[in-house]
Amino acid sequence: SQQGEEDPQALSIQEGENATMNCSYKTSINNLQWYRQNSGRGLVHLILIRSNEREKHSGRLRVTLDTSKKSSSLLITASRAADTASYFCATDGTGGFKTIFGAGTRLFVKA
Amino acid sequence: EAEVAQSPRYKITEKSQAVAFWCDPISGHATLYWYRQILGQGPELLVQFQDESVVDDSQLPKDRFSAERLKGVDSTLKIQPAELGDSAMYLCASSPGASGVNTQYFGPGTRLTVL
Repeated sequence: SQQGEEDPQALSIQEGENATMNCSYKTSINNLQWYRQNSGRGLVHLILIRSNEREKHSGRLRVTLDTSKKSSSLLITASRAADTASYFCATDGTGGFKTIFGAGTRLFVKA
Repeated sequence: EAEVAQSPRYKITEKSQAVAFWCDPISGHATLYWYRQILGQGPELLVQFQDESVVDDSQLPKDRFSAERLKGVDSTLKIQPAELGDSAMYLCASSPGASGVNTQYFGPGTRLTVL
């Protein structure tokens, strides 16, 4: 079963625009991570935010976490065609070390 | 930069045949994961190793799937017999330890097609 649910399922934007993806989860977590997956390839870790953090930045990425709403958002600013990929949130629950991935948001950036 | 290696990259087999996938994690990484990813979905954990011990295999269909990590380094995932529904991407990942901060490093995956 998958804990995280990403929204939207798919997103199409123009190059230069910002892309926002959301993730909701069900149980208490230690941390939440975002991964990117290019078509037919393995996942690449983007950023990790701990449960006691509210916002984190890495380059053009900004992640927020609201533990009261059990949700997170990933913002990609000034998107590029190379950002076209699927983006997954993954949660590490407080009950153990198992990481659970959501179903992903498919982002398409048009040049 | 160290990477997780997987082989083969692609595998086509007929149902009822046996298949095996191999994974070599990043050197020194204690935790190794096998995931199955169906097209259009997120990865689903099949089995997690801490060194050579299985710490989670609750989603592994044990009647047909088996996994081992005998010396706590590389790992093999086997399916016998393969079924049509096993067609998917099989991903291996590793992380330095089970400290609760499980940043995982993924291999390129093995795409399995069962005919």
